[in-house]
Amino acid sequence: DADVTQTPRNRITKTGKRIMLECSQTKGHDRMYWYRQDPGLGLRLIYYSFDVKDINKGEISDGYSVSRQAQAKFSLSLESAIPNQTALYFCATSGLTGTGGDSHEQYFGPGTRLTVT
Amino acid sequence: AQSVAQPEDQVNVAEGNPLTVKCTYSVSGNPYLFWYVQYPNRGLQFLLKYITGDNLVKGSYGFEAEFNKSQTSFHLKKPSALVSDSALYFCAVGGDNFNKFYFGSGTKLNVKP
Repeated sequence: DADVTQTPRNRITKTGKRIMLECSQTKGHDRMYWYRQDPGLGLRLIYYSFDVKDINKGEISDGYSVSRQAQAKFSLSLESAIPNQTALYFCATSGLTGTGGDSHEQYFGPGTRLTVT
Repeated sequence: AQSVAQPEDQVNVAEGNPLTVKCTYSVSGNPYLFWYVQYPNRGLQFLLKYITGDNLVKGSYGFEAEFNKSQTSFHLKKPSALVSDSALYFCAVGGDNFNKFYFGSGTKLNVKP
C-alpha cells in the first residue's frame, strides 16, 4: 500500500461543499483509476487515466471530476458533494512501468472514507 | 460487455478445512481474471491472476484458482483455511487490453477456529 498513497484518509463534509481527494504513486505506472466502494456493490469505476493527457469516464462519473497533474498524481473532485456520495474511495494503478514491464493487476491505495452530511 | 458475479455474500468455514469462494464471469473476448483480498480498513491486495496458460493458477498466501472456460468460472480455493484468511474477497475481470476492470460485489470469508 505504501506505493500508492491517498489523502485524506477520512473526511467529513457538508452537502454542497467542494472536496478533493488526492492520490500519488511511486510504482511508475502509466494507468491510474478512481473507484468507489459501497457495501454489497463491490467497486465501481469513476474515472481512469492512461497518461497525463488521456482521461476517461467510468461507470459512475456524474458529480465527479478528475485531474492528472503528473504521471504520479491523480486527483478526484466532488464539485458539490451530496449525501449519496458517502462511500469509501480507492485509487489504483496498473500498466506499463518505467522499466518497460507490464503489470496487469492493479495496486490499490488505502482508501479515503468520505462522509457527506 | 464484461461482468463478474460472486453468488455468495458470505462463506463460513472452519479452520483447517478447505475453502472455495465462487466467481463466474461474462466476457466478449478472452477472459483476464483476477482475485483480490481486502482486510478491514485496507485497500485491495492482489492475490492471483489468469491471463493465459495453465487453468490452475497459484497465488499468494497459499491460494489458488481454477479457470474453467466451459463453466465460465474462476473459483478461488485453499486446501486448509486459516483464521487469518478471514477477509473480503473480490473477483475481477479485465477488459479492453487491461484498461478497465470490472469487479464482483465481494464475498466475506469467515474462518472460525
